[in-house]
Amino acid sequence: DAGVTQSPTHLIKTRGQQVTLRCSPISGHKSVSWYQQVLGQGPQFIFQYYEKEERGRGNFPDRFSARQFPNYSSELNVNALLLGDSALYLCASSSSSNQPQHFGDGTRLSIL
Amino acid sequence: AQSVTQPDIHITVSEGASLELRCNYSYGATPYLFWYVQSPGQGLQLLLKYFSGDTLVQGIKGFEAEFKRSQSSFNLRKPSVHWSDAAEYFCAVAHSSGTYKYIFGTGTRLKVLA
Repeated sequence: DAGVTQSPTHLIKTRGQQVTLRCSPISGHKSVSWYQQVLGQGPQFIFQYYEKEERGRGNFPDRFSARQFPNYSSELNVNALLLGDSALYLCASSSSSNQPQHFGDGTRLSIL
Repeated sequence: AQSVTQPDIHITVSEGASLELRCNYSYGATPYLFWYVQSPGQGLQLLLKYFSGDTLVQGIKGFEAEFKRSQSSFNLRKPSVHWSDAAEYFCAVAHSSGTYKYIFGTGTRLKVLA
């Protein structure tokens, strides 16, 4: 079975631009979570969606938004990009809150 | 506040030597506990998890971890390290009521000497 897939793998943007990152969960998983991993740090929780509804939000500004589609795939949008948004963005899926999350390989976002 | 501490930023061991990576957590209740491994440019791979029951849990690649409630610790161990174990290791906690929000430590980078 395919794991969590994310696209694109790498992305370069400039300050002020907008970006959309995509995630396809493991087949049968209805939950998708997004994390930001800045170089040298552990992942930080951004959002969690379950059955197309937002179930959790981390301490990130409103420039960050997400949604989940009927097929359980998800998009993370970031507006008005700042240099500090440069990071690895990880998507994780799970079949339920009592099962561990499985992570994709991430999207490396670089802001110039 | 909920937090996870991994006191060792870097650890270097020789191939074949034993390994212990430390993880301490601060949490209001008994948490779910996880260890993940991350190779350069890759995502996180789950090594093992503790939800309840036996406090010594076995994972993949020969790793094990022991939950010690009295010490708020969940240390990762391996009796004999292989060169391919070189990577970054993250400890994470989640609320035992069931949540998708994981809190991660800052990671321990493992270097293995041939």
